[in-house]
Amino acid sequence: EPEVTQTPSHQVTQMGQEVILRCVPISNHLYFYWYRQILGQKVEFLVSFYNNEISEKSEIFDDQFSVERPDGSNFTLKIRSTKLEDSAMYFCASKAGTGTPLHFGNGTRLTVT
Amino acid sequence: AQTVTQSQPEMSVQEAETVTLSCTYDTSENNYYLFWYKQPPSRQMILVIRQEAYKQQNATENRFSVNFQKAAKSFSLKISDSQLGDTAMYFCAFMKQGAGSYQLTFGKGTKLSVIP
Repeated sequence: EPEVTQTPSHQVTQMGQEVILRCVPISNHLYFYWYRQILGQKVEFLVSFYNNEISEKSEIFDDQFSVERPDGSNFTLKIRSTKLEDSAMYFCASKAGTGTPLHFGNGTRLTVT
Repeated sequence: AQTVTQSQPEMSVQEAETVTLSCTYDTSENNYYLFWYKQPPSRQMILVIRQEAYKQQNATENRFSVNFQKAAKSFSLKISDSQLGDTAMYFCAFMKQGAGSYQLTFGKGTKLSVIP
């Protein structure tokens, strides 16, 4: 069964550094998402992406965040200047069309020191 | 805006028994989808079951079934014949229906422990 792939599985970075989290959505999917989950808390929506542009973003998704689909397969989340509070599990998800369920990747655990 | 409430932070069940996890939601939408996702200790998010709001029949998926009460805005998950591998966090989630990239809104989760 096709799956969403995320790399790396764990990323450690120093405060103030830039990080790029990478995702390869399922190949025929059209909608892409990033969510985050701070340890012990609920899964929070960051941003959705469709037709090569952001379709919706949350309050969390401020100017330090950006997303890109540089080619036909990758979907990346960039955090420009990481803060301690950015430490979380970041999930990429994709779906084929409206009304279909989201399929999640295994997540990238980001640790900011 | 939609909200999803899971009032049971933790639950436990004996292996082979049945357990029900509660979920309520608040929305002004008439058409939407509801989901249960499972997050085992590995922290991946796995879709368990899905319900379309326009369907009166409750969804079932093997040992997993839901009790969907649209008027009460309630969407509980029943796990029958619980297995040790069912130990996980369970998240209830809501998504609007329509031609858009609508996001999932999650509840805070219920931590389920299956006891041998």
